[in-house]
Amino acid sequence: GAGVSQSPSNKVTEKGKDVELRCDPISGHTALYWYRQSLGQGLEFLIYFQGNSAPDKSGLPSDRFSAERTGGSVSTLTIQRTQQEDSAVYLCASSFHLGGSYNEQFFGPGTRLTVL
Amino acid sequence: AQTVTQSQPEMSVQEAETVTLSCTYDTSESDYYLFWYKQPPSRQMILVIRQEAYKQQNATENRFSVNFQKAAKSFSLKISDSQLGDAAMYFCAYSKAGTALIFGKGTTLSVSS
Repeated sequence: GAGVSQSPSNKVTEKGKDVELRCDPISGHTALYWYRQSLGQGLEFLIYFQGNSAPDKSGLPSDRFSAERTGGSVSTLTIQRTQQEDSAVYLCASSFHLGGSYNEQFFGPGTRLTVL
Repeated sequence: AQTVTQSQPEMSVQEAETVTLSCTYDTSESDYYLFWYKQPPSRQMILVIRQEAYKQQNATENRFSVNFQKAAKSFSLKISDSQLGDAAMYFCAYSKAGTALIFGKGTTLSVSS
């Protein structure tokens, strides 16, 4: 079956512009995660959606970052007024959440964002 | 707060040999999961092996096995009979059930013929 897909694969933007990154999770997966992978900080958690619950936004680095998940499926990560330090690979993962038990997270191929 | 530490930024091994990647973590929880992920140049994160903290037996998946020392908070990955396709970045990760993964900084493994 189809895995997690992300678009675009690569994005180059100018400092100060807004960007939107898209994640299509595996069908039926109720949990969706965004992570950021950068040279200086490694892999960091950004935000987590689980079903209809309020998202866990504790990893978002600033109020320029936001994300939404429409209809419990596709998610969009938006970065406003991009800065050079936002350059990184943004990874999305999804899992089928059963409370209290382990659920493997399946990752997409990521979006490489370059801010000039 | 939970942390994961990988002290080896780079490791190298020859084909058919064995290599061990180190990982330590810090948590006050008693029930959690530990993982090793592989990330080749394609960027695709692939789960290599996982360990449930409540299990004493070390996990094994074909050529990959772990040495889980709960009291020492240590979780190393052993790759036996290394192959050229094993060359990648390896990440150690921690999570509670249904929560985000906390990753180490990664270890770049190179394999030579």
